[in-house]
Amino acid sequence: GAVVSQHPSRVICKSGTSVKIECRSLDFQATTMFWYRQFPKKSLMLMATSNEGSKATYEQGVEKDKFLINHASLTLSTLTVTSAHPEDSSFYICSARGEADTEAFFGQGTRLTVV
Amino acid sequence: GQNIDQPTEMTATEGAIVQINCTYQTSGFNGLFWYQQHAGEAPTFLSYNVLDGLEEKGRFSSFLSRSKGYSYLLLKELQMKDSASYLCAVMDSNYQLIWGAGTKLIIKP
Repeated sequence: GAVVSQHPSRVICKSGTSVKIECRSLDFQATTMFWYRQFPKKSLMLMATSNEGSKATYEQGVEKDKFLINHASLTLSTLTVTSAHPEDSSFYICSARGEADTEAFFGQGTRLTVV
Repeated sequence: GQNIDQPTEMTATEGAIVQINCTYQTSGFNGLFWYQQHAGEAPTFLSYNVLDGLEEKGRFSSFLSRSKGYSYLLLKELQMKDSASYLCAVMDSNYQLIWGAGTKLIIKP
């Protein structure tokens, strides 16, 4: 299957700082990228969907000013958690889908800990 | 509303067979996915069904009945490494994935 690389895999940051998570499709053009958040022992929660060159569509209850998503190219999307707080600590996962694809391929996930 | 139901947890014995069921009610249907997720890792793709019937892939098989809104994932010859959560997801009419809460599968020797 196609490869999606997510970086970093783990990050610890201080409360009030911002953290950027990158999601890259390595061998295909990702026209759509999805960002998920997963709490312990819970399923994936879709945060936002982004199409290349367009503004991201955020799910209800997700603060767009806090979780900034950029999808400026067909191979890269970034999620920036601004002014992070301990309650933002979670597992963040991206997935990418090509224009002709049904399946979305997942990145490895990022474990964010805000202290 | 949209809803995906699957059991919270199941236990099976190494070498045995286990069937994980998933029922769904969604606005439209563009396929059903099964993913495996080990603790602390991202999900990995197992199967995709869009037509009724059984899809077999090695030790894993997935079945779909669209009229019943039902799918199952069948795992044969269970191995300890199969201990994981199994997520059922349906792609709705907007091509968005609706996720079930996942079934934690515990394999005992």
